[in-house]
Amino acid sequence: DTAVSQTPKYLVTQMGNDKSIKCEQNLGHDTMYWYKQDSKKFLKIMFSYNNKELIINETVPNRFSPKSPDKAHLNLHINSLELGDSAVYFCASDAGTGSGYTFGSGTRLTVV
Amino acid sequence: AQSVTQLGSHVSVSEGALVLLRCNYSSSVPPYLFWYVQYPNQGLQLLLKYTTGATLVKGINGFEAEFKKSETSFHLTKPSAHMSDAAEYFCAVSDQNFGNEKLTFGTGTRLTIIP
Repeated sequence: DTAVSQTPKYLVTQMGNDKSIKCEQNLGHDTMYWYKQDSKKFLKIMFSYNNKELIINETVPNRFSPKSPDKAHLNLHINSLELGDSAVYFCASDAGTGSGYTFGSGTRLTVV
Repeated sequence: AQSVTQLGSHVSVSEGALVLLRCNYSSSVPPYLFWYVQYPNQGLQLLLKYTTGATLVKGINGFEAEFKKSETSFHLTKPSAHMSDAAEYFCAVSDQNFGNEKLTFGTGTRLTIIP
């Protein structure tokens, strides 16, 4: 069983479209995150949720809206996609107290 | 605010040689420190971590790192490189804030192994 699973793995879409990425973890962790990795491999946090509550929102455009229906799921919806949104998006979960994150395998989003 | 600096965006070593990837951090509170590895088209995998206690930590695949508070460093080493070690390596720091352990990553070091 995959610990943190993201779908889809690849997403190619046109500018202006709306798309969603789903993430699920079966580790029982309370905290989940979305990170964006750009073409230079730089990783930047976007959001974190702790037990369905938004904890971190790192000045992400409000076209990005995370939703956590329960502590095992954290989805990311993106409205009006732009070319600059092309990146790899990683979901991660964390048990806290320095345990370190468990990452999903990523969703490569390409906006054309 | 915490930050991480990884010296050298690309490091090449010969197979069997010592691997040394450098990481310096800045944190206003005692940090948690991590090294992650990313193979092509994959997610990040935790190699090792320092939280408290012994400053020399051992991880998977023969890697280890030493926390040096006086030098604010957490360099990653492996005595003998293997071809399978070729990957991108990321150092990360978080502060000890339970329920909000945001990781700040360095810019990564691409490790190439020369046969």
